[in-house]
Amino acid sequence: GEDVEQSLFLSVREGDSSVINCTYTDSSSTYLYWYKQEPGAGLQLLTYIFSNMDMKQDQRLTVLLNKKDKHLSLRIADTQTGDSAIYFCAEIPNTGGFKTIFGAGTRLFVKA
Amino acid sequence: GAVVSQHPSRVICKSGTSVKIECRSLDFQATTMFWYRQFPKQSLMLMATSNEGSKATYEQGVEKDKFLINHASLTLSTLTVTSAHPEDSSFYICSARLLGGGPNTGELFFGEGSRLTVL
Repeated sequence: GEDVEQSLFLSVREGDSSVINCTYTDSSSTYLYWYKQEPGAGLQLLTYIFSNMDMKQDQRLTVLLNKKDKHLSLRIADTQTGDSAIYFCAEIPNTGGFKTIFGAGTRLFVKA
Repeated sequence: GAVVSQHPSRVICKSGTSVKIECRSLDFQATTMFWYRQFPKQSLMLMATSNEGSKATYEQGVEKDKFLINHASLTLSTLTVTSAHPEDSSFYICSARLLGGGPNTGELFFGEGSRLTVL
């Protein structure tokens, strides 16, 4: 079936790098996504990666995709207190009516 | 980017009353919108897919008569929580996908969310 799994919590010190990991089961997705949710708000797309890519870099963000292991990670360099939020990994399997499947979300705490 | 707006952002109501939440796509047309429910410190639960001009498709376990969805136009979907009870208190979020007019990456655009508290 379709499943996306993430660890629930991550705590880092300001200035350190954060790495949020995700595993997924359906390899048919064309894109994989990272969404960010700040307290009391909706989600916003942070970045995405095409399934034929291994890596994508966007300023402080680096996405790594290991298709063989079905593993996706998001690295945030020089983590700031403003990065404290919930980060959701997501995919859209090419089966199942084009629904977005979300992980449970990783709550990132950044300590000053 | 595309903007999705929800209203109201917060609503408090008495048990037994009905509450309507609106979801609007402000600068694009959305034939399909999605409604989610999010409990504190938990992930999103997809409740239903709202289809313009036709009936919504509900996920398993979601009561159709309890959560009425109407998608009467290409820019507006509404969720009505009927006869609300305290256990319906939650954060409700809508989203829409931008189709056409550029690379279709499948990105979802989310509303700001509506926090419902039923007393």
